Amino acid sequence: EVQLVQSGAEMKKSGESLKISCQASGYIFKNYWIGWVRQVPGKGLEWMGSIYAGDSETKYSPSFEGQVTISVDKAVSIAYLQWSSLKASDTARYYCARIDLLYFDWLIGEGFFDNWGQGTLVTVSS
Amino acid sequence: DIVLTQSPGILSVSPGERATLSCRASERINSNYLAWYQQKPGQAPRVLIYGASNRAPGIPDRFSGSVSGTDFTLAISRLAPEDFAVYYCQQYGSSPQTFGQGTKVEIK
Repeated sequence: EVQLVQSGAEMKKSGESLKISCQASGYIFKNYWIGWVRQVPGKGLEWMGSIYAGDSETKYSPSFEGQVTISVDKAVSIAYLQWSSLKASDTARYYCARIDLLYFDWLIGEGFFDNWGQGTLVTVSS
Repeated sequence: DIVLTQSPGILSVSPGERATLSCRASERINSNYLAWYQQKPGQAPRVLIYGASNRAPGIPDRFSGSVSGTDFTLAISRLAPEDFAVYYCQQYGSSPQTFGQGTKVEIK
């Protein structure tokens, strides 16, 4: 069974750094892309970026490029999302999600999300 | 970037009735690479439909997807109590992928 288990809720202050994690199991981690999706409380879904676990190739949404860093540790099947300096506007729930492989279009480099983590709530106070 | 506009914002439907949700793209989506997700309160989204009309594994056949040009539709034939949720469309036919703003299906 595919599982994505995310790290627990975080409460931080503006300016602090943070790294949240997504532990994958039940499939061959290095063969798949993993994406990160933001959801501000009461709002919709926003794609932040994706990473290919095999070689760490990374794609970022223009809205989030330079604001966050996505990485993986293949040895332990974990994906990470990190901030160097949080802002109050980063308050949201963050989901990791596996991108389907069977229908993944390698020319476009995008796909749909077939499995999701439970989300990590990040609260940033000013 | 491709903009996805979902309508209506809120759909009030009685259990057992049919619901039709719309997702209009600002331009044609390559290979109809569009997915629909369901999100219930306090839960992560789950995929219902991919490739505009293919049901994901385990999704009941009362959910169906269709496309006409840049207009995508999710239909729920007979609403069950567990279907009241927010539904999002996502296009992955061009980079960056984008989501619609969501349609909330509520009990009438």
